[in-house]
Amino acid sequence: DGGITQSPKYLFRKEGQNVTLSCEQNLNHDAMYWYRQDPGQGLRLIYYSQIVNDFQKGDIAEGYSVSREKKESFPLTVTSAQKNPTAFYLCASSIIWGGGTEAFFGQGTRLTVV
Amino acid sequence: DAKTTQPTSMDCAEGRAANLPCNHSTISGNEYVYWYRQIHSQGPQYIIHGLKNNETNEMASLIITEDRKSSTLILPHATLRDTAVYYCIVIPQSGGYQKVTFGTGTKLQVIP
Repeated sequence: DGGITQSPKYLFRKEGQNVTLSCEQNLNHDAMYWYRQDPGQGLRLIYYSQIVNDFQKGDIAEGYSVSREKKESFPLTVTSAQKNPTAFYLCASSIIWGGGTEAFFGQGTRLTVV
Repeated sequence: DAKTTQPTSMDCAEGRAANLPCNHSTISGNEYVYWYRQIHSQGPQYIIHGLKNNETNEMASLIITEDRKSSTLILPHATLRDTAVYYCIVIPQSGGYQKVTFGTGTKLQVIP
């Protein structure tokens, strides 16, 4: 079935370590997004990409990095520079051009830094 | 891009219709209204969208006012599984989600 897959579902890391969250989609979508969600809050955009080998910063990109080497994959690295990395991370994808663009979300990765 | 305003929370009795309002008074002519819901600790799920006409699918109905400044999502027979946070967003016809704001949505509690 077509969809978007995030892994792992839960991730624990020690403070100061970089960690990479995986996001894969088989929907042939051009656009992919990473969001952060804190308890009781909405989604905040970290990075987005509309084409392979290109990506743009969102509202809260500091302390994060991404790559888009393949259309299907958009991994997010949470670096040691991110001051408060514990959060729920969501990846999404969508088409860009056309009438109406439904976004598909992964099931999220809950990152806990201790 | 247009922003939306939703009530923070709502309750609905199981089996009754849940009517969730959304204000988007600054919406422009080429922007769609989309509704998503997020069940606790899962990714948001698409429900329905519309431009100016009312829409219905197997999950819900969307009523958009004639001036397009507000809309209502209707879950005709709410069940306990409909307990979730519901997000109303506005998105242009093309260009993607990079300028879309997912606020805190409406937390719907369906009561037995």
